[in-house]
Amino acid sequence: SQKIEQNSEALNIQEGKTATLTCNYTNYSPAYLQWYRQDPGRGPVFLLLIRENEKEKRKERLKVTFDTTLKQSLFHITASQPADSATYLCALVVQNRYGGSQGNLIFGKGTKLSVKP
Amino acid sequence: NAGVTQTPKFRILKIGQSMTLQCAQDMNHNYMYWYRQDPGMGLKLIYYSVGAGITDKGEVPNGYNVSRSTTEDFPLRLELAAPSQTSVYFCASSYVDLGIETDTQYFGPGTRLTVL
Repeated sequence: SQKIEQNSEALNIQEGKTATLTCNYTNYSPAYLQWYRQDPGRGPVFLLLIRENEKEKRKERLKVTFDTTLKQSLFHITASQPADSATYLCALVVQNRYGGSQGNLIFGKGTKLSVKP
Repeated sequence: NAGVTQTPKFRILKIGQSMTLQCAQDMNHNYMYWYRQDPGMGLKLIYYSVGAGITDKGEVPNGYNVSRSTTEDFPLRLELAAPSQTSVYFCASSYVDLGIETDTQYFGPGTRLTVL
């Protein structure tokens, strides 16, 4: 069966350290993968997108890798800050019935990151 | 731009009641979506629409209906509310160009629904 799993429900780290979150999937062939941030009581906010032919993507303190052989994406936050505390969701894009790969995001359950000062 | 707006923010329904969750976007996005999020679970797609007049089922459509008469609005209808529909509902939209596959979704603030 198809599954998408994020490594842990919660991750606690010290300020200044690098947070690494994992997203694994089985029985999907995603065209690309996205990471979102969700704060309590709010909707998810898009952070980064990485395509299947890209190994790594960076945006400021964020870095995402995508290994289609391992069926895994890693999401890194360097020099973490308490303001980075939130739940981070990975999402796979799978093909929809209209022929494109838009419209069908499959979300993981999320990892709740807590950065302690 | 207001982005994606949802009303109401909170609602309590009795079993068997009906209601419509409203969603509107002012970004001229062609795709719109409805998700539900249960505690400790990922977002589950209920319905989506690729344009006005076109809707399609997602992973968990039972008990819900949608319509898309305009580009801006995508209401979600619950006909006979059941306790299993207690959840937080998110509407989202995206601009999809088939030549550029990105599909970044913009989410609304959510509607917290309780069915008692």
